[in-house]
Amino acid sequence: DTEVTQTPKHLVMGMTNKKSLKCEQHMGHRAMYWYKQKAKKPPELMFVYSYEKLSINESVPSRFSPECPNSSLLNLHLHALQPEDSALYLCASSHPWGGELFFGEGSRLTVL
Amino acid sequence: DQQVKQNSPSLSVQEGRISILNCDYTNSMFDYFLWYKKYPAEGPTFLISISSIKDKNEDGRFTVFLNKSAKHLSLHIVPSQPGDSAVYFCAASLNNFGNEKLTFGTGTRLTIIP
Repeated sequence: DTEVTQTPKHLVMGMTNKKSLKCEQHMGHRAMYWYKQKAKKPPELMFVYSYEKLSINESVPSRFSPECPNSSLLNLHLHALQPEDSALYLCASSHPWGGELFFGEGSRLTVL
Repeated sequence: DQQVKQNSPSLSVQEGRISILNCDYTNSMFDYFLWYKKYPAEGPTFLISISSIKDKNEDGRFTVFLNKSAKHLSLHIVPSQPGDSAVYFCAASLNNFGNEKLTFGTGTRLTIIP
């Protein structure tokens, strides 16, 4: 099983809503990542979890709240988002000692 | 400040010919480089990587070349196939450890013409 599964694939939310994006992998990877990708731009790192602990936060606004409940799951809680937060949110995982990242298909978020 | 640059936003190549995608970087501390391929509505898929201690890595139809003095890497695909049509991102890391941030280039859209 070499998949990273993200749900939902599409999400539309208002600026006052609270929603969550979910990511799951069963490759035994102990590093998991959230990236944000806007149209015609490269993916930009948001958060890195290593062994279920937050190791990198790229100065992401607090309206994005990551959570890593266990080694297979990664959530991104969303609250009071802005329309400019509309983007493709990509989850990835890797072995913590290195190597390539395996990406999920992404969750396309639209904030109205 | 874009530390990893792909100056060609698009490239069209005839099927069967060689596709050459280029990438330049500015941070001399980068020592691990990767190429990812992305289809629409999908996440990036890893293609091939190279460590800074090498100047070439080959995997089937894909070869990555690294010129550290020029801070330049390239991806060669030969022969090109219609299924290779996608956006290709190069990426660089400060080391080969997974929890270091990966810096992506802006991408090159490759179109293979049948």
